[in-house]
Amino acid sequence: KQEVTQIPAALSVPEGENLVLNCSFTDSAIYNLQWFRQDPGKGLTSLLLIQSSQREQTSGRLNASLDKSSGRSTLYIAASQPGDSATYLCAVLQGAQKLVFGQGTRLTINP
Amino acid sequence: DAGITQSPRHKVTETGTPVTLRCHQTENHRYMYWYRQDPGHGLRLIHYSYGVKDTDKGEVSDGYSVSRSKTEDFLLTLESATSSQTSVYFCAISESVGFGNTEAFFGQGTRLTVV
Repeated sequence: KQEVTQIPAALSVPEGENLVLNCSFTDSAIYNLQWFRQDPGKGLTSLLLIQSSQREQTSGRLNASLDKSSGRSTLYIAASQPGDSATYLCAVLQGAQKLVFGQGTRLTINP
Repeated sequence: DAGITQSPRHKVTETGTPVTLRCHQTENHRYMYWYRQDPGHGLRLIHYSYGVKDTDKGEVSDGYSVSRSKTEDFLLTLESATSSQTSVYFCAISESVGFGNTEAFFGQGTRLTVV
């Protein structure tokens, strides 16, 4: 059974810092990995999708990497801003088109 | 934003009553999903659909049933609501446009309280 782990569970950093969020998964037989953002009381917003054949994807200040063989992904946020405060979730897509989620990292950016 | 509408957005119901949540999409995506989100458990898959009238169970399907009679609508029914089903329910959609190129989009959620 696939298990997805995100460490740390919570992170607080001052504004302007670069930071890395981690995601690990136990079964490397995945189709892709997706990073989401969730604001309190809201739905999930897709940030980046990395296909299993890709190593990284970038969108603005966000960069996500994927090392499928070691079962790891990182989300790098450059020059963090208070508006980046949210919970960040990673999810892996397996057979039968099912997403398996980690429990998320709650990120707080302090002004 | 992907065209996904969940209804109702909030509901309070009594133990033992049936409840139906609706997910409506305007993207014509093939795959639709129901997840629940609970503190300490994250997002867990309840049921999913891979086409009209084609559905399958997820990891927490007990006490839930689903139906999909049209591409755009996916219904989740709690047959007899219990307090353990108090949760936030999310609908998601996706479409495969090539190997690994399947991006999921989520609705805004339905907060269900069973008293």
